[in-house]
Amino acid sequence: DVKVTQSSRYLVKRTGEKVFLECVQDMDHENMFWYRQDPGLGLRLIYFSYDVKMKEKGDIPEGYSVSREKKERFSLILESASTNQTSMYLCASSIKGALGEKLFFGSGTQLSVL
Amino acid sequence: GENVEQHPSTLSVQEGDSAVIKCTYSDSASNYFPWYKQELGKGPQLIIDIRSNVGEKKDQRIAVTLNKTAKHFSLHITETQPEDSAVYFCAAARMDSSYKLIFGSGTRLLVRP
Repeated sequence: DVKVTQSSRYLVKRTGEKVFLECVQDMDHENMFWYRQDPGLGLRLIYFSYDVKMKEKGDIPEGYSVSREKKERFSLILESASTNQTSMYLCASSIKGALGEKLFFGSGTQLSVL
Repeated sequence: GENVEQHPSTLSVQEGDSAVIKCTYSDSASNYFPWYKQELGKGPQLIIDIRSNVGEKKDQRIAVTLNKTAKHFSLHITETQPEDSAVYFCAAARMDSSYKLIFGSGTRLLVRP
């Protein structure tokens, strides 16, 4: 069964901390994504990657960076966490050539920044 | 850019009744419309999708209809069951140019036993 695994289900951090959210997929997918989910706003794309070491900004990249050193792993980095980054973060992957099609999502990381 | 509006935000139905969720989109060039279901504690999962060259698609109790002229599409769930209770997201994208999958704000469906 296909799987996208996010390292933490819940995370509590303090303002100003550097935060790493990790995501691993076992489907050999080329494309990986980070979304943010907030009530009433749906899912908004932060960053995506279509290949190792490649990254593209999504709709809300400010305050975030990403790293993709290996095909199966895509990390989201909050350089200096702020309270307005408290949210549910969802990682997803899809096959090559189908960036927006058939996304497989992880279960999410609920991040609270105090 | 594309904007997707989804209604209603919450929907409560009796088990066995039908449920309809509607979405409108703004970009007439959008040509791919998926629906995702998110159960409690899980990530969204694709349940059905439709392309702009098709007006309707069915998969068992689930159907999606698309009206390109009016720029709206709908999810229809018939004979609802308690396990249909979840948050449903519609989305729209231009699959011929970019990745941009734009999601609606979500509908929380509650099926009462």
